Amino acid sequence: SAVISQKPSRDICQRGTSLTIQCQVDSQVTMMFWYRQQPGQSLTLIATANQGSEATYESGFVIDKFPISRPNLTFSTLTVSNMSPEDSSIYLCSVEDAGGYEQYFGPGTRLTVT
Amino acid sequence: ELKVEQNPLFLSMQEGKNYTIYCNYSTTSDRLYWYRQDPGKSLESLFVLLSNGAVKQEGRLMASLDTKARLSTLHITAAVHDLSATYFCAVDLRDDKIIFGKGTRLHILP
Repeated sequence: SAVISQKPSRDICQRGTSLTIQCQVDSQVTMMFWYRQQPGQSLTLIATANQGSEATYESGFVIDKFPISRPNLTFSTLTVSNMSPEDSSIYLCSVEDAGGYEQYFGPGTRLTVT
Repeated sequence: ELKVEQNPLFLSMQEGKNYTIYCNYSTTSDRLYWYRQDPGKSLESLFVLLSNGAVKQEGRLMASLDTKARLSTLHITAAVHDLSATYFCAVDLRDDKIIFGKGTRLHILP
């Protein structure tokens, strides 16, 4: 199974600022995914990040608000831009294993916007 | 649009009892996941079900999949307090995106 780390693990940010979340995987993976989990809620897919191409965003999420980088096969970043309290959530990255069956999740980044 | 519905959303049960969590989904899919999430933690993969009639068991948990009925179940046998957590089912959209149900918050009373 893939081992995934995220930085930071948590942060408290002021309204109007931006935060970049890093996701590092211990093996090369084709597809990486970014999810948001609002307090007490389920997970919602933000975007799919493939190396060498633009991220694909789900309905309700836009690149200006959540720019994503995928510079190589083991790393991705998600930026939450111009934050508001509504952005307070846990942000998780996930990867698909080499066999294409399992999806593993990172430990998450808990973001609080004041 | 794929919808994934879990029920119940909340479940409080006594230790030693059996119960089943249901997961219905609205469109064809060949892959269904069950995850566990403890408070403040990330998701732990429990089962991946790949075909109609698939049944997997791990300890007191057993998951099954009926693709024709678009239904998966997670059965808990003789529940113990350590199984208290939120359980999510998730369905693959055939383009490697997975859509999550709302989760079932399970509380097992000692």
